[in-house]
Amino acid sequence: DGGITQSPKYLFRKEGQNVTLSCEQNLNHDAMYWYRQDPGQGLRLIYYSQIVNDFQKGDIAEGYSVSREKKESFPLTVTSAQKNPTAFYLCASNTYNEQFFGPGTRLTVL
Amino acid sequence: QKEVEQNSGPLSVPEGAIASLNCTYSDRVSQSFFWYRQYSGKSPELIMSIYSNGDKEDGRFTAQLNKASQYVSLLIRDSQPSDSATYLCAVNVMGSQGNLIFGKGTKLSVKP
Repeated sequence: DGGITQSPKYLFRKEGQNVTLSCEQNLNHDAMYWYRQDPGQGLRLIYYSQIVNDFQKGDIAEGYSVSREKKESFPLTVTSAQKNPTAFYLCASNTYNEQFFGPGTRLTVL
Repeated sequence: QKEVEQNSGPLSVPEGAIASLNCTYSDRVSQSFFWYRQYSGKSPELIMSIYSNGDKEDGRFTAQLNKASQYVSLLIRDSQPSDSATYLCAVNVMGSQGNLIFGKGTKLSVKP
């Protein structure tokens, strides 16, 4: 099956911990994205990558980091510098103009 | 600051009625427009894309685009309770190779 997978589905973090969210796609898409969604809010762009080994900051990159070592993978690390990380995190990838989403990871800080 | 505006709702319609969802955008040069459906607790699902002025129909869904008015809408005919969800409007960012700006979404409730 072609698609975008994210893991884990739910993640709990203690104060001061870094955590990494996984995003994998087998759609052969070049571009990949990470968004954050808070209740009642739209999607806010954290980071995006158009090609392997290159990525750009989005609107709310502070406290987050990414890597793009393979075309299929775009992991997101939520660092301890992110003061309010509890949110729904969505990974997406693009073909031409259309963007498709993975199932999301819900991160909660304890 | 490029923006996409939607009424947050909730928009409540009876089963079988037409639901009309509206979206305005600020960037006059935007070329690509999308509607996503998001069920509670789930990720957004692309349901319609439109690139030219006018109407585009796909089953019970019709997207309408008016670039002069910077307005895009989604009509859902014969609304079903299963259409109850939040609908997100998204607009491309020119020169960004696929980046989108999303509205905050309109919550639709279809009452049986």
